[in-house]
Amino acid sequence: EPEVTQTPSHQVTQMGQEVILRCVPISNHLYFYWYRQILGQKVEFLVSFYNNEISEKSEIFDDQFSVERPDGSNFTLKIRSTKLEDSAMYFCASKRDGATNEKLFFGSGTQLSVL
Amino acid sequence: GESVGLHLPTLSVQEGDNSIINCAYSNSASDYFIWYKQESGKGPQFIIDIRSNMDKRQGQRVTVLLNKTVKHLSLQIAATQPGDSAVYFCAVTDYGGSQGNLIFGKGTKLSVKP
Repeated sequence: EPEVTQTPSHQVTQMGQEVILRCVPISNHLYFYWYRQILGQKVEFLVSFYNNEISEKSEIFDDQFSVERPDGSNFTLKIRSTKLEDSAMYFCASKRDGATNEKLFFGSGTQLSVL
Repeated sequence: GESVGLHLPTLSVQEGDNSIINCAYSNSASDYFIWYKQESGKGPQFIIDIRSNMDKRQGQRVTVLLNKTVKHLSLQIAATQPGDSAVYFCAVTDYGGSQGNLIFGKGTKLSVKP
């Protein structure tokens, strides 16, 4: 089965530093997402992306966050100035089309630790 | 807004027994429901889904039941195996909403004893 690939698997950074989390969605998918999961808590929606623009974002996704599809295969999440509370597992996800019941495929996540 | 909760954070069952994992949701307008399995070090993996016009849906060894009256969702796993050990999340979305952004529950950790 095709997979969503995320790199790195672990990222450690100092508070205030910028981080970029990378994702390669499944090749024929058109809708891309970032979710995060703070340790022991729910998986939370951050942002959805389609046709090179943000479709929807949550309250978590403030001005410190940005997403980009720099080429035909990568989808990135940037945090400009990391805070301690940004420490979490970040999941990229993609699906083939925008139908609600279209299956959403998740990557294995990037564990971000902000010190 | 929507909130999704799980009735029990951990569940321990004997191999071969049936498992039942429960979930409650708050928004009566929610119309699409999914169960995900998350193994250690991996992302959520789709198990089964159900739309609000159905009460029951069966897959391979799994069944999802939806009770819209009490806004309750359950996942039944038949003949539970050690490989079923994982955290299970329910997620909900509005079918008419914006392309299916999901609201997840907190998860139930299923442990299967050999």
